Amino acid sequence: QVQLKESGPGLVQPSQTLSLTCTVSGFSLTSYHVHWVRQPPGKGLEWMGVMWSDGDTSYNSALKSRLSISRDTSKSQVFLKMSSLQTEDTATYYCARGSVVTSNWFAYWGQGTLVTVSS
Amino acid sequence: DIVLTQSPALAVSLGQRATISCKTNQNVDYYGNSYMHWYQQKPGQQPKLLIYLASNLASGIPARFSGRGSGTDFTLTIDPVEADDTATYYCQQSRNLWTFGGGTKLELK
Repeated sequence: QVQLKESGPGLVQPSQTLSLTCTVSGFSLTSYHVHWVRQPPGKGLEWMGVMWSDGDTSYNSALKSRLSISRDTSKSQVFLKMSSLQTEDTATYYCARGSVVTSNWFAYWGQGTLVTVSS
Repeated sequence: DIVLTQSPALAVSLGQRATISCKTNQNVDYYGNSYMHWYQQKPGQQPKLLIYLASNLASGIPARFSGRGSGTDFTLTIDPVEADDTATYYCQQSRNLWTFGGGTKLELK
């Protein structure tokens, strides 16, 4: 079945770069787009960006200067890197996938990984 | 960017109807579809898809949930509300990339 699982460091120091991995199973990254969404504690959801199935990427304009999404299709992994972290980047980070027919809505989500930015 | 606006909270009684609104600053309709979707999120859990394309019920979602709207005004209705429906509800647009509303926390009176 379709599964997505986020992994990465739970704690990152301010000004450092965050690196997260989304490992997927049950589908191919060359057939489906994978999104990153984050949620600060007690706050709402923010779409961050997408790795399209063709390998292209699109980003939230508010994060574009700091964000990079890449992938390794042989390992079924999508990577997120975000630089110049500040305390306001403390959040649960999710990866998500669209339905069978479209990426317009997110039918599948990972459990999320909490990242705390603190010295 | 398309901005989605939701009321922060709503309190309803068990068995009553809950109507959650979402307004956008741009039209999210395109070729006959409204690119508006709804999610439910309970504390400590990932979001769960409820409604896609404004009015289509996602797989496994009870018929107590319904969605309607077009253009810039959308609503999610839960009727009747059950205790398990206490959660935060988010709208999301996919007409131009993706953005979420701020969420509406549904509480019981």
